[in-house]
Amino acid sequence: DAMVIQNPRYQVTQFGKPVTLSCSQTLNHNVMYWYQQKSSQAPKLLFHYYDKDFNNEADTPDNFQSRRPNTSFCFLDIRSPGLGDAAMYLCATSRELGRAFRETQYFGPGTRLLVL
Amino acid sequence: SQQGEEDPQALSIQEGENATMNCSYKTSINNLQWYRQNSGRGLVHLILIRSNEREKHSGRLRVTLDTSKKSSSLLITASRAADTASYFCATAALGNQFYFGTGTSLTVIP
Repeated sequence: DAMVIQNPRYQVTQFGKPVTLSCSQTLNHNVMYWYQQKSSQAPKLLFHYYDKDFNNEADTPDNFQSRRPNTSFCFLDIRSPGLGDAAMYLCATSRELGRAFRETQYFGPGTRLLVL
Repeated sequence: SQQGEEDPQALSIQEGENATMNCSYKTSINNLQWYRQNSGRGLVHLILIRSNEREKHSGRLRVTLDTSKKSSSLLITASRAADTASYFCATAALGNQFYFGTGTSLTVIP
């Protein structure tokens, strides 16, 4: 089945130690998103790739970076994780026909990050 | 902020009853979407309603949209224990803005 896959499901890192979360998709969607979701809160969009074009949200900290080497894969890099970065990180994809609006997003199961 | 506000924050009902949750937003939108999230899992898309539509149905789900009031409602009929989850609205606005609402936590008691 076509899907969005996130690995690992749980990630433990140390304060200040770089960490990378990965996302892959078999849907062949042209847009990929990364969200941060803290406990009992709404998902917050960090950035997205429209094809190869990177789009950063204005309030996303510089500590968060992303790479999309090809259509199927997208990575979230946290350069120096702080305790406040502990959260669920959700990857999503969508098929966009234009840049004017957002269509249905398909989410992966998420990676829960714990910072010690 | 464009972020939607959902009401109520939490809802507890008996199995078989209907559940209604509401979403209000602030600016003009292209579409509004509803998602479900089971505890500790990713979000699952339920339904998308466009700004020129007023009502949509999908199985036991009924979504309405009132653009004049900038509000939407999600009705789940004949609820089941498996419907227990958090429900989020998300608005797709002009300028590529996309925001999730604050969510409603639904508990269906068997």
